[in-house]
Amino acid sequence: EAEVAQSPRYKITEKSQAVAFWCDPISGHATLYWYRQILGQGPELLVQFQDESVVDDSQLPKDRFSAERLKGVDSTLKIQPAELGDSAMYLCASSFSGNPTDTQYFGPGTRLTVL
Amino acid sequence: GQNIDQPTEMTATEGAIVQINCTYQTSGFNGLFWYQQHAGEAPTFLSYNVLDGLEEKGRFSSFLSRSKGYSYLLLKELQMKDSASYLCAVIDSNYQLIWGAGTKLIIKP
Repeated sequence: EAEVAQSPRYKITEKSQAVAFWCDPISGHATLYWYRQILGQGPELLVQFQDESVVDDSQLPKDRFSAERLKGVDSTLKIQPAELGDSAMYLCASSFSGNPTDTQYFGPGTRLTVL
Repeated sequence: GQNIDQPTEMTATEGAIVQINCTYQTSGFNGLFWYQQHAGEAPTFLSYNVLDGLEEKGRFSSFLSRSKGYSYLLLKELQMKDSASYLCAVIDSNYQLIWGAGTKLIIKP
């Protein structure tokens, strides 16, 4: 069964350092999402890609966060510099098309701890 | 504003039935999802409702009343592996997916 891949699974870093997360969506899925989830809360959308284009990055803290999906396949989310409040689970999801009624399939996530 | 309300935590007994409620106040409605999320893992899709009524899928059923802004997830014959958080998410009139905070379900033997 096709799955969304993410790496690393866990990342510990010190504040002010740079971190990067990678996501490979299910093959053929045009839409890719990056979410941040704080313990006990629902996922918060950071950025949505349709192929290589950004569809929604309204909640992305652009002063420190960046995301790219250059070839419309895999994607990287970067934080520079990391802050204590960035400690969270970062989830990547993909769906077949940009239709919001499509099921989103999530990767295992990256648990970030900022010290 | 947009709001989705779910109980924070529920406890049930193995073999029993539990109903997890979700009420929403959103700018329009274009569908509702339920996802299951085990601790430390990613959410997995359970159900999607866009029309009123009950959708049954094995031990899990999901109900929707659009006029009441209300949905519930019904879990029957509870198993220990059903211990997880259950997330309700609504598609609003702008086709944005609004997520609830989730309900943590604890199953006791």
